[in-house]
Amino acid sequence: EIVLTQSPATLSLSPGERATLSCRASQSLFRSLAWYQQKPGQPPRLLIHEVSKRATGIPARFSGSGSGTDFTLTISSLEPEDFAIYYCQQRSNWPFGYTFGQGTKLEIK
Amino acid sequence: EVQLVGSGGDLIQPGGSLRLSCAASGFAFGDYWMHWVRQVPGKGLVWVARIDDTGIIANYSDSVKGRFTISRDNAKNTLYLQMNSLRAEDTALYYCVRSERGSFDFWAQGTLVTVSS
Repeated sequence: EIVLTQSPATLSLSPGERATLSCRASQSLFRSLAWYQQKPGQPPRLLIHEVSKRATGIPARFSGSGSGTDFTLTISSLEPEDFAIYYCQQRSNWPFGYTFGQGTKLEIK
Repeated sequence: EVQLVGSGGDLIQPGGSLRLSCAASGFAFGDYWMHWVRQVPGKGLVWVARIDDTGIIANYSDSVKGRFTISRDNAKNTLYLQMNSLRAEDTALYYCVRSERGSFDFWAQGTLVTVSS
């Protein structure tokens, strides 16, 4: 199974600041890396798919990058509604599976 | 508008069985692979099972293989998860999810399964 490790576990920032969230895979991924946002009491929402493609309706302040084993979600200027938990996720064919990172909690400083 | 509505969650004793359902609307259900993903409240996300668009190919996580069965009825636009031999560690919120290109693009609200005596 491919393991995804997210860092930091918690990120404390203020509105208007730039957020950089990391996701590291235990082996190289072939562009099948996505990012989700989850707020309390809600299901996750897809933000980014295939490493860098924004999902429908996602604001341009969210961007994804990376390759191989290291991936990043960047929020260029935090809005109050961006404070939530963020998960990365991968799909692999060998070994087969879908795995999620353990999450990064983005909290207001 | 894409909608996924999960149902069937309940309090069930260890060793028992439960069937979850997920009603889909607002999109061509039969064109998409569908999944179940679970989450213990306050914890992370865990993929459980997937089924291809035709209902022929199904895959499972090792933790549920042999106990859970995913199925679908494309005529009824409905996804199912038959859960047998339930264990305390199966307690979680279960999400019905649509996938495209390896990511999960629409999620139901989730239905809570509690396994406890």
